[in-house]
Amino acid sequence: KAGVTQTPRYLIKTRGQQVTLSCSPISGHRSVSWYQQTPGQGLQFLFEYFSETQRNKGNFPGRFSGRQFSNSRSEMNVSTLELGDSALYLCASSTGQGGEQYFGPGTRLTVT
Amino acid sequence: QKEVEQNSGPLSVPEGAIASLNCTYSDRGSQSFFWYRQYSGKSPELIMSIYSNGDKEDGRFTAQLNKASQYVSLLIRDSQPSDSATYLCAVNPLTSGTYKYIFGTGTRLKVLA
Repeated sequence: KAGVTQTPRYLIKTRGQQVTLSCSPISGHRSVSWYQQTPGQGLQFLFEYFSETQRNKGNFPGRFSGRQFSNSRSEMNVSTLELGDSALYLCASSTGQGGEQYFGPGTRLTVT
Repeated sequence: QKEVEQNSGPLSVPEGAIASLNCTYSDRGSQSFFWYRQYSGKSPELIMSIYSNGDKEDGRFTAQLNKASQYVSLLIRDSQPSDSATYLCAVNPLTSGTYKYIFGTGTRLKVLA
């Protein structure tokens, strides 16, 4: 079974730009969660999508948004990038029933 | 009080020793518990899940859960330098059916050769 894939793996953007990250979950998984990881803050939950609906949301500004498609693939968008958005963005997939959650390799975003 | 607490470490153990990693959680209704290993610059890798009180063994790893004490631990037997990583504890409270995973900040483990 293929694992969780994320594209792109690395991104360099400048302040004010926007970015879209993509995540393809494990086949059969309907839940995709997004996390931001920085050295100082650890893993911070952004949001979770289940069957194309946002089911949970963390404490991030509205510049961070996401969506999920009918094939369970998910995208995350960050608008008006700030220097503090530089981080490793991780997506994780699960069945959505509280069981194991598997992470993708992450997208490392650098904002200059 | 943080929802999931871990000692940040580093926890240093000699090669071949048992490493004991601990995690406490605040939501008494939590049902699912997970341990992840994360190497520097990499994404977290699931190594153990545990759902009921007691011990669960998988190779050199043993997860222990005590819901009454709201405590979950991970034991690594015969520690190897390759086990040096940050270990993240995650809890799924299953409150209000939200299935939201709460992560601790991780414990850094150093296995000394």
